[in-house]
Amino acid sequence: GIQVEQSPPDLILQEGANSTLRCNFSDSVNNLQWFHQNPWGQLINLFYIPSGTKQNGRLSATTVATERYSLLYISSSQTTDSGVYFCAVALYNQGGKLIFGQGTELSVKP
Amino acid sequence: EAGVAQSPRYKIIEKRQSVAFWCNPISGHATLYWYQQILGQGPKLLIQFQNNGVVDDSQLPKDRFSAERLKGVDSTLKIQPAKLEDSAVYLCASSLQQLGNTIYFGEGSWLTVV
Repeated sequence: GIQVEQSPPDLILQEGANSTLRCNFSDSVNNLQWFHQNPWGQLINLFYIPSGTKQNGRLSATTVATERYSLLYISSSQTTDSGVYFCAVALYNQGGKLIFGQGTELSVKP
Repeated sequence: EAGVAQSPRYKIIEKRQSVAFWCNPISGHATLYWYQQILGQGPKLLIQFQNNGVVDDSQLPKDRFSAERLKGVDSTLKIQPAKLEDSAVYLCASSLQQLGNTIYFGEGSWLTVV
């Protein structure tokens, strides 16, 4: 099956710093989403981005489908950005189910 | 617009007991998913419904887990009998259709088996 690898596994930042999270996947995908899991466990949609670039405030994401990777950029990080960031991909020939990576745990210090 | 609703939020049971979780997807969403997330790992799909039909249940431990979506809206996930390794967060999610749509998650149901 498709493999999803995220890096780094852990990241500690000082408030105000920028960061880049990476997601590599082993096959062509038709759906790619980035999520933020808050301390209460809820998965919050950040981006639906099977290809191209999107921006939402301090967050932006880029997926290069031909090279099988996606990047999530966080600028001017805040303590509320802390949590686990997941990348998840789906294939049409597998019914569209999302396959998740192991996540990147981000801690932003004041 | 209301999000995906789940209940109960927290449940503690003894091993070999049974438990049921309920999910109400976003209105109009045809596809419903149940995921299991063990602490420190990414969510793993247990079962996927398209309306009231099962699309994928390949990772559902069918000897103890069951799920249904009788009228194509609400869904229940049952575990009987529970094992210690079933301690996890059970996440329900929904999307408009099976392919090419954003998937939205509920807050999850936290299960502890003691």
